[in-house]
Amino acid sequence: DQQVKQNSPSLSVQEGRISILNCDYTNSMFDYFLWYKKYPAEGPTFLISISSIKDKNEDGRFTVFLNKSAKHLSLHIVPSQPGDSAVYFCAAKRTSNTGKLIFGQGTTLQVKP
Amino acid sequence: GAGVSQTPSNKVTEKGKYVELRCDPISGHTALYWYRQSLGQGPEFLIYFQGTGAADDSGLPNDRFFAVRPEGSVSTLKIQRTERGDSAVYLCASSLQGPNTEAFFGQGTRLTVV
Repeated sequence: DQQVKQNSPSLSVQEGRISILNCDYTNSMFDYFLWYKKYPAEGPTFLISISSIKDKNEDGRFTVFLNKSAKHLSLHIVPSQPGDSAVYFCAAKRTSNTGKLIFGQGTTLQVKP
Repeated sequence: GAGVSQTPSNKVTEKGKYVELRCDPISGHTALYWYRQSLGQGPEFLIYFQGTGAADDSGLPNDRFFAVRPEGSVSTLKIQRTERGDSAVYLCASSLQGPNTEAFFGQGTRLTVV
């Protein structure tokens, strides 16, 4: 039972353009959502998060949008840079729980110069 | 140390052998998590420690897997009678207090069972 899904295994965009990564979830008890970025041979690093009481959170070039009714969130990167090329994981948790993260399968982003 | 440290980086073992994977969390972090990432998948939760105690071990796949954190700092994940299906990257993460604080991940241990 995949509670967090990233249906696009890969995405390729041109440098300077917008990258949009999508994530769907099924468990309505999730109240906190995060995006992690992972380079090869490294652990995931936290990128940006959003609480379920908000619908948007912005941090520099990164913006996360949350649509609770659709159980959908997306990460926008504008403008995309070659250094953004990595695997991006969406994750969700229940803050009333132990804090364990439920991850999606990941989307590999390639930003072409 | 500055970040979460995991040793070894790579481990190759024969089927049926016992392995131990070590995690050294960020100093002062009371919460520690173990995850397992199989090829092409996202990390999957295994176990969560708050201090010395395992507060949630619901992700451990079976009784061949066990983890300890005797002094509330370093943790060891132990796998008995390893199987080829145990091959994965094992990730450790720590956070300052637990559920509502950011988790920082180590680089992982790549376990290969041959």
